[in-house]
Amino acid sequence: AQTVTQSQPEMSVQEAETVTLSCTYDTSESDYYLFWYKQPPSRQMILVIRQEAYKQQNATENRFSVNFQKAAKSFSLKISDSQLGDAAMYFCAYENTPLVFGKGTRLSVIA
Amino acid sequence: GAVVSQHPSWVICKSGTSVKIECRSLDFQATTMFWYRQFPKQSLMLMATSNEGSKATYEQGVEKDKFLINHASLTLSTLTVTSAHPEDSSFYICSASPQGPEQYFGPGTRLTVT
Repeated sequence: AQTVTQSQPEMSVQEAETVTLSCTYDTSESDYYLFWYKQPPSRQMILVIRQEAYKQQNATENRFSVNFQKAAKSFSLKISDSQLGDAAMYFCAYENTPLVFGKGTRLSVIA
Repeated sequence: GAVVSQHPSWVICKSGTSVKIECRSLDFQATTMFWYRQFPKQSLMLMATSNEGSKATYEQGVEKDKFLINHASLTLSTLTVTSAHPEDSSFYICSASPQGPEQYFGPGTRLTVT
């Protein structure tokens, strides 16, 4: 069965700085999708970014980018120019219909 | 696009009563919807997969007679917590996918059983 591991329960970053959240996963599949979801205090799950495993190019969405290392089964999220609104729980997820979630990383942004 | 709604957003019920939570895809059709439960400061736990026109598929350990799921149309799935008890108090989230691998989530329902 697929598993997703987020080894950082909590992280903090200074406003305007850059932070990287780690995620590793385990699968025997060769074609799949990976996601990062954000859950702010409102608890609404928001899709941040997705990566298709067959694409070697790392996905980017504005200030959010990923470092996808397929061989290492690693999928980290980099947030650049951190803003106060980035403070939230971040969940890494592997798509296997349904999604398999990691345990999450709580990100605090310090003004 | 790809908006999912849930109703109610917060419900308080007495122990022993039943409560129904609705999940609607507002601008797309979804043959499959998912129901999750989330405890404070924890990740989402999949409860069941709801399939339009057929029985739901429950995850191991989830009581199907307690958590009744009905997917009556391509835009509506309901979760009914029957004979609710305080330990059923939790945050319930649904999700759906218009097409492809992304899932879009409802805003969640906070259930408090007194």
